[in-house]
Amino acid sequence: DTAVSQTPKYLVTQMGNDKSIKCEQNLGHDTMYWYKQDSKKFLKIMFSYNNKELIINETVPNRFSPKSPDKAHLNLHINSLELGDSAVYFCASSQRVDEQYFGPGTRLTVT
Amino acid sequence: GNSVTQMEGPVTLSEEAFLTINCTYTATGYPSLFWYVQYPGEGLQLLLKATKADDKGSNKGFEATYRKETTSFHLEKGSVQVSDSAVYFCALSPNNNDMRFGAGTRLTVKP
Repeated sequence: DTAVSQTPKYLVTQMGNDKSIKCEQNLGHDTMYWYKQDSKKFLKIMFSYNNKELIINETVPNRFSPKSPDKAHLNLHINSLELGDSAVYFCASSQRVDEQYFGPGTRLTVT
Repeated sequence: GNSVTQMEGPVTLSEEAFLTINCTYTATGYPSLFWYVQYPGEGLQLLLKATKADDKGSNKGFEATYRKETTSFHLEKGSVQVSDSAVYFCALSPNNNDMRFGAGTRLTVKP
């Protein structure tokens, strides 16, 4: 069974479009995260949700909006996509912040 | 602020060579320190961790010692294998709500 899953695995879209990436975890964890990994492999935290409440919101554009319908899901919606949004987006979950379990990533390409 | 700095890659080694990947940190208080590994096409996995000064984390032949006096957490392995080829991330957690990753170091091991 997959612990942390993301869909889609690949996403190619044009500038200006709106897209969503879904994340689900079946580990019963209280906290979920979204990270952005750029082409140089630098990993930057974007959001963290604990029991459906936002507890970290790094300085990301407000075009990015996380949505958590329940504890097992944290979706990422992106409005008005830009070229610079091209990256791999990772979802993660944890019960404790130091043991995060990552999903396989979603490679977003904006053309 | 809280941050980690790790040696830039890429690092290329022959099989059975000794590996060191340097990591130093800046933090207020007493953070926990981690190494995560990302195999090609996968999400990050926790490799090892240390939660207080002088602790040694170890897993799969990799080791790292939490050195408060030098603010370091260098990753070492005595004899690398081709299957160790991956990107390695040093990370710290200053509290229970945050995790900061380094830029990642790509390791390639040649047979």
